[in-house]
Amino acid sequence: NAGVTQTPKFQVLKTGQSMTLQCAQDMNHNSMYWYRQDPGMGLRLIYYSASEGTTDKGEVPNGYNVSRLNKREFSLRLESAAPSQTSVYFCASTTPGRLTEAFFGQGTRLTVV
Amino acid sequence: RKEVEQDPGPFNVPEGATVAFNCTYSNSASQSFFWYRQDCRKEPKLLMSVYSSGNEDGRFTAQLNRASQYISLLIRDSKLSDSATYLCVVNSPGSYIPTFGRGTSLIVHP
Repeated sequence: NAGVTQTPKFQVLKTGQSMTLQCAQDMNHNSMYWYRQDPGMGLRLIYYSASEGTTDKGEVPNGYNVSRLNKREFSLRLESAAPSQTSVYFCASTTPGRLTEAFFGQGTRLTVV
Repeated sequence: RKEVEQDPGPFNVPEGATVAFNCTYSNSASQSFFWYRQDCRKEPKLLMSVYSSGNEDGRFTAQLNRASQYISLLIRDSKLSDSATYLCVVNSPGSYIPTFGRGTSLIVHP
C-alpha cells in the first residue's frame, strides 16, 4: 500500500534556484493539499486542489505554484527559492466527506541557503 | 478566534499517568472530527476518529461535546512511546479543507 508518495525526501537549494516537489496518491482521492510545517507553527496550507482540474490558494501561497497533473499527482513548484522557504513540506490527500481521514506523504525537508 | 485551537503544551507526565487534551472548534456546523499523532520529523497519522457517542481504542478515549464545541483525547496508563504531538482535525460541511489545530506536545518520562 503506497498511499501518498512524495519526492524528494531531502533537498538543499541555493537562493534563487527552482525546484518541483512531486506528490502522487494511489487511493483515488479527489482532493490533494500541500502544507508546510515550521517549528512551533503547526501545519499551514499552501495550496490545495479540491478535484482534478482545480487549484486554489491556501493560507501561505506566495512564492509557490502548483499543478494538478491528473487525479493522482499534485506538484508544488518553487520558482525562485528563498531562505524563508526552508521548511518541511507535506502533501496530503483525502476525499472530503463526513468521516474521511487525510493521508500524508512522508514529507520533504527543504533547506534554502 | 481561530477555527481550531489546542493548548500547545508540552504536557510532561510520568509513565502510567492519565492525561487529557482538549481541542475547541469555532464552526458549530462541523461534522467530523479526528485525532492525529505526529512523531518528531514524521508525517501526521490518524490516531482515531471521534464519534458523537464517544469512542475508545485501547488506552485512548475520544469524546465530542457539541454544546461546548470541543473534542477531547484521554490517554490512560501513558507509555514512553506515547510521546508525540497530537493534532486535532475538524471537517466542516461545504469545505474541501480539513482544519488542523497546531497540536499538543506530550512528553512521557520514566
